[in-house]
Amino acid sequence: QKEVEQNSGPLSVPEGAIASLNCTYSDRGSQSFFWYRQYSGKSPELIMFIYSNGDKEDGRFTAQLNKASQYVSLLIRDSQPSDSATYLCAVVFPSNAGGTSYGKLTFGQGTILTVHP
Amino acid sequence: DVKVTQSSRYLVKRTGEKVFLECVQDMDHENMFWYRQDPGLGLRLIYFSYDVKMKEKGDIPEGYSVSREKKERFSLILESASTNQTSMYLCASSIDTGNTIYFGEGSWLTVV
Repeated sequence: QKEVEQNSGPLSVPEGAIASLNCTYSDRGSQSFFWYRQYSGKSPELIMFIYSNGDKEDGRFTAQLNKASQYVSLLIRDSQPSDSATYLCAVVFPSNAGGTSYGKLTFGQGTILTVHP
Repeated sequence: DVKVTQSSRYLVKRTGEKVFLECVQDMDHENMFWYRQDPGLGLRLIYFSYDVKMKEKGDIPEGYSVSREKKERFSLILESASTNQTSMYLCASSIDTGNTIYFGEGSWLTVV
């Protein structure tokens, strides 16, 4: 069973702080990694994707990938109350069905983040 | 922008009814997916399709079937709804495997 693990939280940080969200995955062959944000009662929306080892920055968000350790993280700088949501890590696991190779996107359980004023 | 549209947002059905959930995407994506999301269980893949008239079982296909007659449309069918199928159902699409998937707004189904 290919798995994606996240701490469910809740993670609580003060406004303006850095929020650090972590995710581990089970398959060394994975090549694509995604972070989604989901507000209560809404569908997930993409924040970032990362394919290569190292850091990728987009505004206040930084994704970090370490394939050797099978670890991907999301840092949110200058956290705002509007960042309060559930953050889902998703990993594409190589798979095969009917003779066709494809990538199967598997989600972690999500980490609940609360940013308090 | 990618748009994935789930036509039924809120449904209440009786046990044993046949239920259709429709999903349409407007970006000519090859892949389409159906997930369900339940508290404490996260997002679970029911079925996916990587081409027209092709379908593959996900992690929890029991009690469900799907139909993809046209590239833009992917339907989820509950042949005989049961109370344990009360959930939020999310349709998604992606241009190909390994790429970003985009979600619809979700369909909240209650089976009574």
